[in-house]
This record gives sequence, structure tokens and C-alpha cells, in this order.
Amino acid sequence: DGGITQSPKYLFRKEGQNVTLSCEQNLNHDAMYWYRQDPGQGLRLIYYSQIVNDFQKGDIAEGYSVSREKKESFPLTVTSAQKNPTAFYLCASSGLGQRPSSSGANVLTFGAGSRLTVL
Amino acid sequence: AQTVTQSQPEMSVQEAETVTLSCTYDTSESDYYLFWYKQPPSRQMILVIRQEAYKQQNATENRFSVNFQKAAKSFSLKISDSQLGDAAMYFCAYRSAWGNSNSGYALNFGKGTSLLVTP
Repeated sequence: DGGITQSPKYLFRKEGQNVTLSCEQNLNHDAMYWYRQDPGQGLRLIYYSQIVNDFQKGDIAEGYSVSREKKESFPLTVTSAQKNPTAFYLCASSGLGQRPSSSGANVLTFGAGSRLTVL
Repeated sequence: AQTVTQSQPEMSVQEAETVTLSCTYDTSESDYYLFWYKQPPSRQMILVIRQEAYKQQNATENRFSVNFQKAAKSFSLKISDSQLGDAAMYFCAYRSAWGNSNSGYALNFGKGTSLLVTP
């Protein structure tokens, strides 16, 4: 079955450590996204990528880094520069194109999320 | 940047009754897409319904329907015959039809409405 796999589901980090969240998709989607979710804040865009070896900052990119070396993979690193990293992180992917179709093409599909807690 | 506002942090409905969740948005664009996503306690994001701005007809998906008022920039979700499984966070989201330089084809989310369904 096609989908998006995020790992780990739960992650604990000590202050000052970098951690990397994994996101893999087998939907053959061109675009991938990372969102952060905090209580009462909705989902906020961290980074997105529309093509291999290229990515763009979203609204809250400070303290995060990403790479897109393969179409299927878009890992997110939470660096020690992120002042408040405890949150739920969601990875998503989509095709590229103007029209979200009734078949689901070009509509965002989400992974199950990763919960990061800083100790 | 487009903003999405969900003014109801929490709503409650009795089983089998109808409830309407509100969403307003701010944009200067004429062509765009609107979405409602559901996030149950599992935290998996699930697409409920989508609406194309160029279509006047309101979208429907089984018990879910929208009231799209383009001039008023309003996009409410109506859930009919509410079921216990409808209990979740509901997020309204906006996407530019042609993408934009700030977020590509990423979705811009509201802060969500928590729906409680009582027996």
C-alpha cells in the first residue's frame, strides 16, 4: 500500500542535542512538506521541497534543517538552535499541479506523525 | 500571506444531530482551493472534503457538506447525523491554485476546532 512513513513515533531529546525525524513516501509524489503542530496553534509549515536537491523555508524554519537527496525521502533535523522543540511533527506529500483531483492527486497526504519531547 | 481563521476552539453535538463548524479566510486571489481535514485522537490527518473556488456548487461527501460563500470568504463544514466517530479536531485549510513563492503548494491551516460528540 502506498503511503508515508514517519519514524520514530516518539522521540526524547536532551537539551543541546540534534535529532533527525525520518519521512519516507512511496506515492511517487514530487512535493514533500514538514509541519509542526502545537496545542491551539494548528499546523505551521517548517520546510517544503518540490524537487530533489531543492527545498524552501516555510513560516517557522529557524532551528530546523532538511535535505532532499532522494524523491522518496525528506528528513527533518531539529537542531539545538530550536528554542522550543517539544511538539508533534507531521510530514506530508503531494503531487504538483494546479488542480487537486477527485482521485486524490495533488492533495496533501500525511504521515502518522512524530512526537518530540525535550527532557 | 493568506490567513485562515476558525473562531470556535470547541464545539459539542449530540449523536444524530447536525453541527456546523465555521471557517473564514483572507486572500486577494481569485483561484484557490479550500479543505477540511479531520484529526482523530490517533492524530492521523484525514481529508474530509475539498472545494474549488471556481465552482459555485457546494461540495458534499456523504454526511459532510460545505457552505462556500466566496464573496464573504467563508467556508463552513456541516456534519449531519453526527456519529461518535466524528469526534476529532477539524482543520480548515487554504491552498493557492497556482502555488506561491512563500509556500509552494503547501496548505495554510487554521488553528482547529475540537468537536465533541455526546451520546
